[in-house]
Amino acid sequence: DAKTTQPNSMESNEEEPVHLPCNHSTISGTDYIHWYRQLPSQGPEYVIHGLTSNVNNRMASLAIAEDRKSSTLILHRATLRDAAVYYCILRGGSQGNLIFGKGTKLSVKP
Amino acid sequence: GAVVSQHPSWVICKSGTSVKIECRSLDFQATTMFWYRQFPKQSLMLMATSNEGSKATYEQGVEKDKFLINHASLTLSTLTVTSAHPEDSSFYICSARVGGAYGYTFGSGTRLTVV
Repeated sequence: DAKTTQPNSMESNEEEPVHLPCNHSTISGTDYIHWYRQLPSQGPEYVIHGLTSNVNNRMASLAIAEDRKSSTLILHRATLRDAAVYYCILRGGSQGNLIFGKGTKLSVKP
Repeated sequence: GAVVSQHPSWVICKSGTSVKIECRSLDFQATTMFWYRQFPKQSLMLMATSNEGSKATYEQGVEKDKFLINHASLTLSTLTVTSAHPEDSSFYICSARVGGAYGYTFGSGTRLTVV
């Protein structure tokens, strides 16, 4: 399974943009880049995913490097409700499941 | 979007008793359900994969006789923790693959505390 590397934690101020990096140097040509987040005491929720082009949705933007070896999840205006652990995931396991790394714990200060 | 409803959200049980956790897909059919376990300050670890109408596949180190999985219909999968012990206390989460833009959807999790 392709490996991702994320910082253990990041801090942001409320109302400011947040850039969450992810390195995936062993990504294959067909691997999608998925981002999920987990709020405290809840199951993970889908944030965004992409293959090659940058992607935008109502929650966030995903910027993918041209060589696809890294990507950045962008929260345009962080709110207190965005405090969560953010997981960058490349591909599923042998059962078709998602494989979770440690993720980045995002703290948002008012 | 596709929703998986997981119940109960928390449960406290005595050592030696059994606990059943249910996950229902509300607006889609889930042929496959994934069961994860998450210990405090750790990431999600896959325990088993359940397939409708067939036996579940367990990950290495997970006791199939202790964690009973039933996936008798396309909308319901259950995990029963039998003869629970304090070390089984954890956060249990189910997940189904929905495809399309959302990929996977997750239940809200069950906090199990064994006393």
